Amino acid sequence: GENVEQHPSTLSVQEGDSAVIKCTYSDSASNYFPWYKQELGKGPQLIIDIRSNVGEKKDQRIAVTLNKTAKHFSLHITETQPEDSAVYFCAASRNSSASKIIFGSGTRLSIRP
Amino acid sequence: EAQVTQNPRYLITVTGKKLTVTCSQNMNHEYMSWYRQDPGLGLRQIYYSMNVEVTDKGDVPEGYKVSRKEKRNFPLILESPSPNQTSLYFCASSLQGSTDTQYFGPGTRLTVL
Repeated sequence: GENVEQHPSTLSVQEGDSAVIKCTYSDSASNYFPWYKQELGKGPQLIIDIRSNVGEKKDQRIAVTLNKTAKHFSLHITETQPEDSAVYFCAASRNSSASKIIFGSGTRLSIRP
Repeated sequence: EAQVTQNPRYLITVTGKKLTVTCSQNMNHEYMSWYRQDPGLGLRQIYYSMNVEVTDKGDVPEGYKVSRKEKRNFPLILESPSPNQTSLYFCASSLQGSTDTQYFGPGTRLTVL
């Protein structure tokens, strides 16, 4: 079945440094790739997404890149701050009558002061 | 305030005792879904609904039932809970489908003894 692999499972970076989280997907028909941030005790919230017709998208300190050929997409956070500490999930889905969403296993990001 | 609500937030029960977790959204969203979150496994979709009276299986539907009699409500039913259903459950909704922003509820922590 469809699968999304996410790496690393944990990541610790110094405040101010950059963080990168990577995901690969198996379903070549996937065309929507969101990233969600989950803070402690809360439900996940969308932070950025990308569709298959673009290769990169930026929103202030956050960017996502997509390589459809390699079936690979990544989240980049620059100038990390303490409030970036959270669990991050990537996901993949496609427009079809069977409209499932497949999430990665999550990355726990810790920002060291 | 636009939101997804779940009840109860915490539940401890025993094996075999039927239970229902309610989910309601006030955003007039068509798509609703249930996920379970387990350490190391990320978010796994249980069931989803594209609209009233339209439901479909996600990746882990065994042991669960859902119904969508009204647009705003999407209850999750465990007819005979077992310990392997101990998990953190999230309900989510989106405007039309899996390629729209998912709005998650606060979560329900279920323990089955």
